[in-house]
Amino acid sequence: QSVLRQPPSVSGAPGQRVTISCTGGSSNIGGGYDVHWYQQLPGTAPKLLIYGNNNRPSGVPDRFSGSKSGSSASLAITGLQAEDEAEYFCQSYHSSLSGSEVFGGGTKLTVL
Amino acid sequence: QLQLQESGPGLVKPSEILSLTCTVSGGSISSSDCDWGWIRRPPGKGLEWIASMYCNGRTYYNPSLMSRVTISSDTSKRQSSLKLTAVTAADTAVYYCARVRPSSSSDYFEFWGQGTLVTVSS
Repeated sequence: QSVLRQPPSVSGAPGQRVTISCTGGSSNIGGGYDVHWYQQLPGTAPKLLIYGNNNRPSGVPDRFSGSKSGSSASLAITGLQAEDEAEYFCQSYHSSLSGSEVFGGGTKLTVL
Repeated sequence: QLQLQESGPGLVKPSEILSLTCTVSGGSISSSDCDWGWIRRPPGKGLEWIASMYCNGRTYYNPSLMSRVTISSDTSKRQSSLKLTAVTAADTAVYYCARVRPSSSSDYFEFWGQGTLVTVSS
């Protein structure tokens, strides 16, 4: 059970907007630590999608956006496309005990 | 284009040592070519951070794996290595290396290797 909680699955039709939540606590997101998002297409390595809560690396379409509020963060995808069908993971820093980078459990996005 | 490639045995026996190497190629050699991380994904599960090592020589480990893991690097060869001792079936996973981008808040994994599947079985 990850300290960052994500819904196991979300779905949407092409063209729609979907959001994926990432809920943590005071030792991670709520403690002011940045949240990052990764996209993992089937059979491929994860790819950095959003860093520092709301920044897109070069080459990532602006259909993808991130936000953070309190102990939670969200990834929004607008204009959903079939190629967006993938698993999405959030990541942050967890300061308890020795401290470590932590990932959410992942959310499988299905494009209907 | 920066490329990372993991290498190592695909099959390791229980109680033995898992050793993996990550070699970087392409891209321009930069001062950040010594900030490395290892992440794994067990079958049917999510991503798990294993360890990170930085240009200043500092290393950080997942508390749950700390007693069994060692990360090292050879900057001249643009390589990072991971060793995991006393492996069990629970260590079966796809192992990824990644270049870490340090930040004042939470570091992130900027570029990833394609991953290598390691199975622990007798």
